[in-house]
Amino acid sequence: KQEVTQIPAALSVPEGENLVLNCSFTDSAIYNLQWFRQDPGKGLTSLLLIQSSQREQTSGRLNASLDKSSGRSTLYIAASQPGDSATYLCAVYSGNTPLVFGKGTRLSVIA
Amino acid sequence: EPEVTQTPSHQVTQMGQEVILRCVPISNHLYFYWYRQILGQKVEFLVSFYNNEISEKSEIFDDQFSVERPDGSNFTLKIRSTKLEDSAMYFCASKAQGPGNTIYFGEGSWLTVV
Repeated sequence: KQEVTQIPAALSVPEGENLVLNCSFTDSAIYNLQWFRQDPGKGLTSLLLIQSSQREQTSGRLNASLDKSSGRSTLYIAASQPGDSATYLCAVYSGNTPLVFGKGTRLSVIA
Repeated sequence: EPEVTQTPSHQVTQMGQEVILRCVPISNHLYFYWYRQILGQKVEFLVSFYNNEISEKSEIFDDQFSVERPDGSNFTLKIRSTKLEDSAMYFCASKAQGPGNTIYFGEGSWLTVV
């Protein structure tokens, strides 16, 4: 059974800092991995999707990497801003089976 | 950008009452899902739906839950007799054909059972 773990559970950084969020999964037989953002009481916004054959994806200040063999992904946020404050969720997808989510990392960027 | 829409955004219901949560998936998508998130916990899979039938369901999705696609655009989750522990945010999601596509989520429906 696939398990997804995210560390740290919470992170507080000053504005402008670069940061890395970590995600690990137990079963490396995945099709892709998605990173989501969730604001308090809100829905899930898809940030990046990495296919299993890819090593990384970039969107603006975000860069996600995937190392399938070691069961790890990282989300790198450059030059963090207060508007980046949210919970970041990692989820893995194996074919047409359901997405399995981690518990998320709650990020606070302090102005 | 196309989006998944859900109604209601928030519903308060008495224990034992029936609730229907509604979703309009993205129009050309073929896979539909319901997930839920109890406050402070992980997002959990409930059910997936493809080709007008349930393709997979979790152990949470017991006999009190049902899903339906009553027409070409809506996708509903019915909870027959709500319990206090059903209080959660319920998310609808949809995906186009193919394993490499992004799954898009709606804004969620907050269900509070009192």
